[in-house]
Amino acid sequence: NAGVMQNPRHLVRRRGQEARLRCSPMKGHSHVYWYRQLPEEGLKFMVYLQKENIIDESGMPKERFSAEFPKEGPSILRIQQVVRGDSAAYFCASSPRRQGTNEQFFGPGTRLTVL
Amino acid sequence: DAKTTQPTSMDCAEGRAANLPCNHSTISGNEYVYWYRQIHSQGPQYIIHGLKNNETNEMASLIITEDRKSSTLILPHATLRDTAVYYCIVRGGGADGLTFGKGTHLIIQP
Repeated sequence: NAGVMQNPRHLVRRRGQEARLRCSPMKGHSHVYWYRQLPEEGLKFMVYLQKENIIDESGMPKERFSAEFPKEGPSILRIQQVVRGDSAAYFCASSPRRQGTNEQFFGPGTRLTVL
Repeated sequence: DAKTTQPTSMDCAEGRAANLPCNHSTISGNEYVYWYRQIHSQGPQYIIHGLKNNETNEMASLIITEDRKSSTLILPHATLRDTAVYYCIVRGGGADGLTFGKGTHLIIQP
């Protein structure tokens, strides 16, 4: 059973460009989470999605950031008009949503560098 | 979610048991204790979780005090590859996002 997959692993963008980060959850997992880790800081929750639904986006910046998890295909985190402060590691996690627990399995991350 | 307190860093000799403490004095009755770790530059890794009883799996053991106000993660035979930041997280059984604190930087010494 393959783990959570993220691509690309490294992404370089110039200021003002768009960044698209992809996440394929583990087989059988219908819950996806995105986290951001700024340099030398801890992980911060951004958004929680189920298939075709955003459940909790309380950690998402109000502008330029969006996320989706379509019926078919991977979850996408989209950052429009990137700025240098968006440079970070972005981790995706998936969960099987067993009743009463919240184990999340993380991917290897996408390192975004904004020039 | 209940707040947790962990030491900033700890050392442990290779081959010895690493015991990582976590205080969570405001934990409520339906909240679980989760442990994750993050090895440098990698994605966090789930280790173990528990509610009231002690738990053991192939990676570690989790000892939760009877009053549930603190817990200890035990790595029975630490190796150099166990050097990582270890996060203790307390939260309910819902499917919400996790709140990571600063964790404990565990350094395994050869």
